[in-house]
Parts: sequence; structure tokens; C-alpha cells
Amino acid sequence: DAEITQSPRHKITETGRQVTLACHQTWNHNNMFWYRQDLGHGLRLIHYSYGVHDTNKGEVSDGYSVSRSNTEDLPLTLESAASSQTSVYFCASSGGSRNQYFGPGTRLLVL
Amino acid sequence: QKEVEQDPGPLSVPEGAIVSLNCTYSNSAFQYFMWYRQYSRKGPELLMYTYSSGNKEDGRFTAQVDKSSKYISLFIRDSQPSDSATYLCAMSGRGSEKLVFGKGMKLTVNP
Repeated sequence: DAEITQSPRHKITETGRQVTLACHQTWNHNNMFWYRQDLGHGLRLIHYSYGVHDTNKGEVSDGYSVSRSNTEDLPLTLESAASSQTSVYFCASSGGSRNQYFGPGTRLLVL
Repeated sequence: QKEVEQDPGPLSVPEGAIVSLNCTYSNSAFQYFMWYRQYSRKGPELLMYTYSSGNKEDGRFTAQVDKSSKYISLFIRDSQPSDSATYLCAMSGRGSEKLVFGKGMKLTVNP
């Protein structure tokens, strides 16, 4: 069955370190999205991609970057982790129906 | 004013109750309206999807969209403890695959 996976599921890091969160989908979807979910803020869009080599900034993109070298993967990089980036990160993909399929999430703690 | 407003609750009801969840929005360009359900420590999953105005029913769930009032609702009949989750509304405009989410309402159905 097609699925979307995220790794790691939990991560503890220190401020200033570079962190990369992986997202892999086997739906063959063109569209992929990264969100962060925080209490009181709901889901906020960080970056998104509509296809290979396409990336776009979302609502809260400062301090984050993505690159899309193939259809299946959209890794999210925190250039220099900050405590404000402690959050739960969700990756999602869609095939153009606006039904986004979400991964299980990555819990990131920045100390 | 945020584009999508949703009372974050929490909401606690007895089993069998009718639950009403609501969102308001300010962007008249929104054409696609969705409700996602998110269980604790899981990713959101699509529950209901409506295009433009009107009602849609699926089992115990009914989604309503009133574009003139910029107001959407999700009704859950005969609520069950298994309905305990966070419910997020989401919206999208024509030509955009991006979703704008409400903050989510945490619902608990007590047996």
C-alpha cells in the first residue's frame, strides 16, 4: 500500500545545529508540504513543492529550507536550530485533489 | 484577523450527543472546504470534503458550507468515544493546492 513516512519520529538537538527531517511518499504525488503544529497555532505551512526542483515558501519559512530532487522525497532542513523551532513537524502529499495525506509526524526538541 | 478562525475548545460531551463544530473565514476566494480528524500523536486524516456551498453527509457526519456567511460546520450525530480527537477545518482557493487550517477543536466524548 502507498504511504508517507517521516524520520526520525523523535529528535533532540542543541541550538545552532543543523537538522534534517526526512519525508518519503510512495503515492507518486507531485505536491508535497511541510507543516509545523504548535499549541495555540494549529498547523502552519513551512514550505511546499509542486514537483521536482520546485520549492515555495509558506507562512513560517524563516530558518527552514527544502529541496526536491525526486518525486518521492522532500527533506526539511533547519539551518541552525533554535528553541523556537521545538515543535511537531508534519509532512503531507497530495495528487491534485486537495486531499492531503499526512505522515505520522516528527517531534523535535531543541535544547 | 486570521483567514480561518476556529474555537480551539476543548469540548467535552456525553456519548450519544450531537456535536457541532464550526469555522469562520474571511477569504471569499475559498472554494474547497475540508474537515480533518487528528487522533492523539497521529497525523491528520481527511474526514469530509465539500466543494462550494451546500451539505454533504457521510454516515454520522454532516458537513455544511454557507459561503454567504463565510461559515462552515461539521455535525456528528450519536457521538461515540472513538470520535474523541482534534478536528481541524481547512480551506483552499481555486487554482491553489495549499490549505489554510483552523487551529483545531479538541473533542472528548465521554462513555
